[in-house]
Amino acid sequence: RKEVEQDPGPFNVPEGATVAFNCTYSNSASQSFFWYRQDCRKEPKLLMSVYSSGNEDGRFTAQLNRASQYISLLIRDSKLSDSATYLCAETGANNLFFGTGTRLTVIP
Amino acid sequence: GAGVSQSPSNKVTEKGKDVELRCDPISGHTALYWYRQSLGQGLEFLIYFQGNSAPDKSGLPSDRFSAERTGGSVSTLTIQRTQQEDSAVYLCASSSTGTGRIATNEKLFFGSGTQLSVL
Repeated sequence: RKEVEQDPGPFNVPEGATVAFNCTYSNSASQSFFWYRQDCRKEPKLLMSVYSSGNEDGRFTAQLNRASQYISLLIRDSKLSDSATYLCAETGANNLFFGTGTRLTVIP
Repeated sequence: GAGVSQSPSNKVTEKGKDVELRCDPISGHTALYWYRQSLGQGLEFLIYFQGNSAPDKSGLPSDRFSAERTGGSVSTLTIQRTQQEDSAVYLCASSSTGTGRIATNEKLFFGSGTQLSVL
């Protein structure tokens, strides 16, 4: 069983739409969670950390549900520039595990 | 340098040859990770170095893969007797904290990767 699982998508949404991604993790002892963004043929870059109480950064909201062992990312008012692959990540015992990523395309 | 540097950016090799991939982390970063990413796939953890501790090699797919980190800085990932299934982008990342077993606000900075193609 993979440490982290994501729906690979693709998610194709119109500009201005709200879109949400979920990511489930298997290790109940995981401590920290993150969302990374990866543009085509580029390296991943940290989008935001996920805090227990949930956190917001502009149009982006991240939430953690420990009981059900998933994290979520909500993007409001989607922009064309949001098109990318979104990777969730969690700290295992000694390292950082990534999901396979969810591909988002925002359509004009 | 300002960021994580990897070299070469592209490597084409023949099946059965050995390759070495290099990673220069951000100066002062104690934690260094190697991942690989196959086309359309997520990041597969390979190995993790933290300071002077023994590395976590649990992600290395076979004994053909090895990595070292000299002087707590530069790291080299070596793949012996390369196979076609080794073809992927090999990404290195560093961070100033390291995960350990204590919750941390980990931020990894990735290099731009080495695209390895085994013919």
